[in-house]
Amino acid sequence: DVKVTQSSRYLVKRTGEKVFLECVQDMDHENMFWYRQDPGLGLRLIYFSYDVKMKEKGDIPEGYSVSREKKERFSLILESASTNQTSMYLCASSFGQGNTEAFFGQGTRLTVV
Amino acid sequence: AQSVSQHNHHVILSEAASLELGCNYSYGGTVNLFWYVQYPGQHLQLLLKYFSGDPLVKGIKGFEAEFIKSKFSFNLRKPSVQWSDTAEYFCAVKPLNTGGFKTIFGAGTRLFVKA
Repeated sequence: DVKVTQSSRYLVKRTGEKVFLECVQDMDHENMFWYRQDPGLGLRLIYFSYDVKMKEKGDIPEGYSVSREKKERFSLILESASTNQTSMYLCASSFGQGNTEAFFGQGTRLTVV
Repeated sequence: AQSVSQHNHHVILSEAASLELGCNYSYGGTVNLFWYVQYPGQHLQLLLKYFSGDPLVKGIKGFEAEFIKSKFSFNLRKPSVQWSDTAEYFCAVKPLNTGGFKTIFGAGTRLFVKA
């Protein structure tokens, strides 16, 4: 079974803090993704990566950056957390291009106070 | 703008009722289509997928979906729901003409099944 593991289930951070969300997958997938999930808005893509050190902006990249130094690990960074970044963050991975599905982690619920 | 639309945000059914959740998308090219489900407290998981071939696809737990290309639709159905189907359901589309990487999700439909 594919396993996508996010480092924390719940996080509480203060406004202005730098926040790191970590994600690890164990199936040698090329692609990794960060989404945020908000009620009534579904999942919105923040960033994705299709290879080590490669990254592409998703639909809502503002206020976020990412890092992929190793194939199995994809980090989401909030440079200066703000209250409007309070959300559920989902990491996903998939194999190759086209005709593949994404596998999701359990999510990190981040609260910025 | 390109998008995925789910027709209902909240659905309440009694056990044994039939279910149909609507999904329409606006991408013109070849797409992969998915329904994902998120049970309370659990991670998002794949319910079923369409890549090509028979437009009627069957998934886990008795769910099926029909791809109607002319209508840009991929509706989810189940003949008889159970209390355990209470969850949030997401329709998702992966356009293959943009590299086949990005999956775009609808807003989700919360289904509550009364016992």
